[in-house]
Amino acid sequence: DSGVTQTPKHLITATGQRVTLRCSPRSGDLSVYWYQQSLDQGLQFLIQYYNGEERAKGNILERFSAQQFPDLHSELNLSSLELGDSALYFCASSAPPLVDTQYFGPGTRLTVL
Amino acid sequence: QKEVEQDPGPLSVPEGAIVSLNCTYSNSAFQYFMWYRQYSRKGPELLMYTYSSGNKEDGRFTAQVDKSSKYISLFIRDSQPSDSATYLCAMILPTGGGNKLTFGTGTQLKVEL
Repeated sequence: DSGVTQTPKHLITATGQRVTLRCSPRSGDLSVYWYQQSLDQGLQFLIQYYNGEERAKGNILERFSAQQFPDLHSELNLSSLELGDSALYFCASSAPPLVDTQYFGPGTRLTVL
Repeated sequence: QKEVEQDPGPLSVPEGAIVSLNCTYSNSAFQYFMWYRQYSRKGPELLMYTYSSGNKEDGRFTAQVDKSSKYISLFIRDSQPSDSATYLCAMILPTGGGNKLTFGTGTQLKVEL
């Protein structure tokens, strides 16, 4: 158990819908990272937050947005869902100065029908 | 061309063999190099990370980085069936206060009895 929690574990929804994925980092970790893992694209970095502020962006679609709240939990919002958004979504957290040591959560499996 | 290239395998070896996993990359600005292990689509687990060229050893695992050749390797000695997993290389590009990570597609390893 990495100490990072993600809810829900599974999510099934329809195209065009909007969903919110939640992540709670390890106690004391200020950075939260979001990733998408699909069979054809591998693990893709989406976005990083540090203590509530966006710090780095990867291949995140405009339909996707994220935020980190004062209690450091983070939410990833996915809207206008398409079939291709079906994937595993992972959250990871890290603590400075060991920003390269990331602990991953168990993931949320999103299925868009 | 992808920034990080990794042979997807699968790689099958007998128990006790030495395993060599490799990645090449094109962006010389990458600064941190890591190896993750991922079991059955669960959250990746950090195995090794290094900053500079050279070797770093941890138990049965050795990470090797050659920045001049843009090539990193992970060696597993005395491989065990429990090492059967997908191994992902990852690289960090620091960007204005944040960290952008790029992962290889992963190599699937099977260690057979």
